[in-house]
Amino acid sequence: KQEVTQIPAALSVPEGENLVLNCSFTDSAIYNLQWFRQDPGKGLTSLLLIQSSQREQTSGRLNASLDKSSGRSTLYIAASQPGDSATYLCAVRSGRDMRFGAGTRLTVKP
Amino acid sequence: DTEVTQTPKHLVMGMTNKKSLKCEQHMGHRAMYWYKQKAKKPPELMFVYSYEKLSINESVPSRFSPECPNSSLLNLHLHALQPEDSALYLCASSQGNEAFFGQGTRLTVV
Repeated sequence: KQEVTQIPAALSVPEGENLVLNCSFTDSAIYNLQWFRQDPGKGLTSLLLIQSSQREQTSGRLNASLDKSSGRSTLYIAASQPGDSATYLCAVRSGRDMRFGAGTRLTVKP
Repeated sequence: DTEVTQTPKHLVMGMTNKKSLKCEQHMGHRAMYWYKQKAKKPPELMFVYSYEKLSINESVPSRFSPECPNSSLLNLHLHALQPEDSALYLCASSQGNEAFFGQGTRLTVV
């Protein structure tokens, strides 16, 4: 069974900093990996999707990388803003199964 | 339209009640999911439907009963729940690639 781990569990940074969130998974036979954002008490908003054959995806200030062989993905956020404060979750898809990490709770201070 | 709609947004029910959660999508996705999320925890997979057939049941107690009446609709029937079943229930859909989530139903069992 796929196990997904996210480090750090929580992160607090001043506005403007660049930061990296980490996601690791135990079974490299994945279909894709997706990064989500979740605001308190709300649903999940898709940020980036990386197919298993891809190495990187970018959207605005976000960049996600995937190293399938080592079971790792990173989410890079450039020039962080207070509006980026949320919990960031990575989800790994293997067939019809999609498993989540515990998330990184990000706080960006003005 | 990349929307997954869940109703109701909030539900309070007694332990002897019977209620249903509803999820709808019109993206033509053939896989639909139910997740349960407790506070400050990641979403936990409950059920997966593929082409309107139940393909994954993560050993969920029988007081939760899923139903997929057609390709756009997914229900979760609730009966004789316990207070520990109080959580955010999330629905998602996908068609091979990106998964889209609804805003969830906040369920409180009293």
